[in-house]
Amino acid sequence: DAGITQSPRHKVTETGTPVTLRCHQTENHRYMYWYRQDPGHGLRLIHYSYGVKDTDKGEVSDGYSVSRSKTEDFLLTLESATSSQTSVYFCAITLTPAGTEAFFGQGTRLTVV
Amino acid sequence: QQQVKQSPQSLIVQKGGISIINCAYENTAFDYFPWYQQFPGKGPALLIAIRPDVSEKKEGRFTISFNKSAKQFSLHIMDSQPGDSATYFCAASSGGGADGLTFGKGTHLIIQP
Repeated sequence: DAGITQSPRHKVTETGTPVTLRCHQTENHRYMYWYRQDPGHGLRLIHYSYGVKDTDKGEVSDGYSVSRSKTEDFLLTLESATSSQTSVYFCAITLTPAGTEAFFGQGTRLTVV
Repeated sequence: QQQVKQSPQSLIVQKGGISIINCAYENTAFDYFPWYQQFPGKGPALLIAIRPDVSEKKEGRFTISFNKSAKQFSLHIMDSQPGDSATYFCAASSGGGADGLTFGKGTHLIIQP
């Protein structure tokens, strides 16, 4: 699993509340990613990071922010959760500087009611 | 704009048969094409990957065929087994992949005993 831990694994939250998901890795990987998975859409990139305090937006970044203050932690925040953000969220790392060979965490199932 | 189109959405194959999943891409800058396997409740796992300088790559029962001129690639699973039943995603990346993967929408494969 490339030392990736996502927390929480499941969460139910109310519309309008802030939510932070955590991705923790133990192997000092430089590149980290957040994807969301929805039926009929596959996985879509939300944000990614190529080092501490270096982040960039992906395909579906609206409504999400990220922070990476330490190499091992990549946080995804929904500032004000909406029902459209109900999804399964996956964190990933890549083993090589070229960004290939991505390994995924176990996912966080988020339900916004 | 969907940059990687995957077909079929679902596939049923008899045990021992050949499973074939196809993907087509639009972005000619893509230079890395992996396939991921996902079981329910788990994160996607890298299965096999190819670069456009080769037309075929084989690992055990899994083979990627790549057609650069047609901008298509496919996954063949030989001697399909019930344990191969899963969702399969093709993906593509460019620029070394540091800016993440673009995924197809997935194929739900069922191998009937």
